[in-house]
Amino acid sequence: GENVEQHPSTLSVQEGDSAVIKCTYSDSASNYFPWYKQELGKGPQLIIDIRSNVGEKKDQRIAVTLNKTAKHFSLHITETQPEDSAVYFCAASIETSYDKVIFGPGTSLSVIP
Amino acid sequence: ETGVTQSPTHLIKTRGQQVTLRCSSQSGHNTVSWYQQALGQGPQFIFQYYREEENGRGNFPPRFSGLQFPNYSSELNVNALELDDSALYLCASSTPGGRGTGELFFGEGSRLTVL
Repeated sequence: GENVEQHPSTLSVQEGDSAVIKCTYSDSASNYFPWYKQELGKGPQLIIDIRSNVGEKKDQRIAVTLNKTAKHFSLHITETQPEDSAVYFCAASIETSYDKVIFGPGTSLSVIP
Repeated sequence: ETGVTQSPTHLIKTRGQQVTLRCSSQSGHNTVSWYQQALGQGPQFIFQYYREEENGRGNFPPRFSGLQFPNYSSELNVNALELDDSALYLCASSTPGGRGTGELFFGEGSRLTVL
């Protein structure tokens, strides 16, 4: 089955710096790659996603890149702010008849003011 | 618009007991998925319900079962609780289609502790 790995497990940056989280997946049939942010005591919330027919996608300070050949995808956050501090999960999904999303183990991001 | 709500928020059970967790999906969503999130790990897919039937299941034993009701709300039942079942149980609803390419809307979860 699908397996998603994520690095680093913890990341600490100064406010205003950039943060990069990298993920790899195992199943070449995966074609949907969402990123979720989970704040303490809350459920994960989708922040951006990318599909396999696209190599890059941006939304304000957040960007994702996808390399299907290498089975790598990454999240880039620019101009980090303290409110970006949270756990970030990358995930992969295969288009089937149901929403089975495989999550990575998470990256705990701390933005230091 | 009402988001995904789950109950109870916290509960403590002992080994061998049974537990039922409840979820109300977001307005307009007819698909509900359940995930188990152990401490410090990512959510793991348990199963999904669509039109009151289970239409997908992860690598969980049969003692994990569920229901979906006509109003799209859902229950997760776990029998014969084990210590390793201690986790945050997350419910997520999604829009019709359920082809693995849509946004999941998560509730805040039910924290289960098994002693």
